[in-house]
Amino acid sequence: AQTVTQSQPEMSVQEAETVTLSCTYDTSESDYYLFWYKQPPSRQMILVIRQEAYKQQNATENRFSVNFQKAAKSFSLKISDSQLGDAAMYFCAYGRIYNQGGKLIFGQGTELSVKP
Amino acid sequence: DGGITQSPKYLFRKEGQNVTLSCEQNLNHDAMYWYRQDPGQGLRLIYYSQIVNDFQKGDIAEGYSVSREKKESFPLTVTSAQKNPTAFYLCASSLGAVGELFFGEGSRLTVL
Repeated sequence: AQTVTQSQPEMSVQEAETVTLSCTYDTSESDYYLFWYKQPPSRQMILVIRQEAYKQQNATENRFSVNFQKAAKSFSLKISDSQLGDAAMYFCAYGRIYNQGGKLIFGQGTELSVKP
Repeated sequence: DGGITQSPKYLFRKEGQNVTLSCEQNLNHDAMYWYRQDPGQGLRLIYYSQIVNDFQKGDIAEGYSVSREKKESFPLTVTSAQKNPTAFYLCASSLGAVGELFFGEGSRLTVL
């Protein structure tokens, strides 16, 4: 069975600095998706970034980028120029491509605080 | 605006009572999901449905039931058989069998 592990329950970053959130996963599949979701205090989950496993190039969305290491089964999220609005719970998630109906497996979450 | 609407946002229930959480989407998505969120445990899948009149159990389906009579609606019933129902419940949808999930704002259920 696939698993997703986020080993950092809490992280803190100074405003305008860079922070990296870690995520590892376990799977025997070769094709899959990986996601980072943000859950602000309002509790609504928002997609931050996604990565298809067959793509070697790391995904980037403005200040958010990932370091995808397929062989190591690692998928970290880097937030550059951190802003107060980045404070939230961040979840890493894994999704199989076939047969699983699109359901995702989530990690335990990392709570990010941003200091002014 | 397209999106997912969950209601109620907050719900209190006495032990032994069933309660139904509503989830409606106007995104024209085929698949819908219910996740449960507990502190320190991330999100765990309760039920999911890929098509109308069909649904599958997720990892923690015991004590829950669902229906999918319409494409837009996927209500979740928390039955009295659910031993620890106090939690935050998230409904989501996706366009197909792969890809990102779109989430509602969630419903917090508290059992008194």
